[in-house]
Amino acid sequence: NAGVTQTPKFQVLKTGQSMTLQCAQDMNHEYMSWYRQDPGMGLRLIHYSVGAGITDQGEVPNGYNVSRSTTEDFPLRLLSAAPSQTSVYFCASSYLGATDTQYFGPGTRLTVL
Amino acid sequence: AQSVTQLDSQVPVFEEAPVELRCNYSSSVSVYLFWYVQYPNQGLQLLLKYLSGSTLVKGINGFEAEFNKSQTSFHLRKPSVHISDTAEYFCAVLTNYGQNFVFGPGTRLSVLP
Repeated sequence: NAGVTQTPKFQVLKTGQSMTLQCAQDMNHEYMSWYRQDPGMGLRLIHYSVGAGITDQGEVPNGYNVSRSTTEDFPLRLLSAAPSQTSVYFCASSYLGATDTQYFGPGTRLTVL
Repeated sequence: AQSVTQLDSQVPVFEEAPVELRCNYSSSVSVYLFWYVQYPNQGLQLLLKYLSGSTLVKGINGFEAEFNKSQTSFHLRKPSVHISDTAEYFCAVLTNYGQNFVFGPGTRLSVLP
């Protein structure tokens, strides 16, 4: 199993550009989530999904969109990038739900100029 | 809403010494509690979790934590640390009806030779 994979590893955007961060897992996990990590703030939940076709907002959803058309994939879209979205983004998945062990991807470091 | 406080942002300790990393939470409802570890340039990995039952929880790599409901705390301990324990440690809380994690800001543990 590859576990949780994220692409790209690094990305630099200009203000106003859009892009999609990819996340995939091959463990047949139902629950998937996206976090951003900023210095001194820990991880903050952006969006999560409890299964294909079902998504919900976390703590900091503004400026981000998600969809879950398959169990394996959970892409995160930045519609119009802003410098405040400069961060490290982590995708995670777990088998049944949030109380299960979450497996994290290696992260995507995004810089918005 | 829940919140998580980790009182120490940095903890230096000598190898083979004991360590305690403190975590306090606030919530008006019952919670589940977690400790995650992040090694440099990696995603997070679950150390241990408290869902119910015994308030003393044992995890991987010799770590343990004790849930104290009256003090709303979930402190992490290890009796003898190794250089390889150098990492950032995050406490997290999840309400028993939600799927929405809240992470603390993290404690950076540095183990000195």
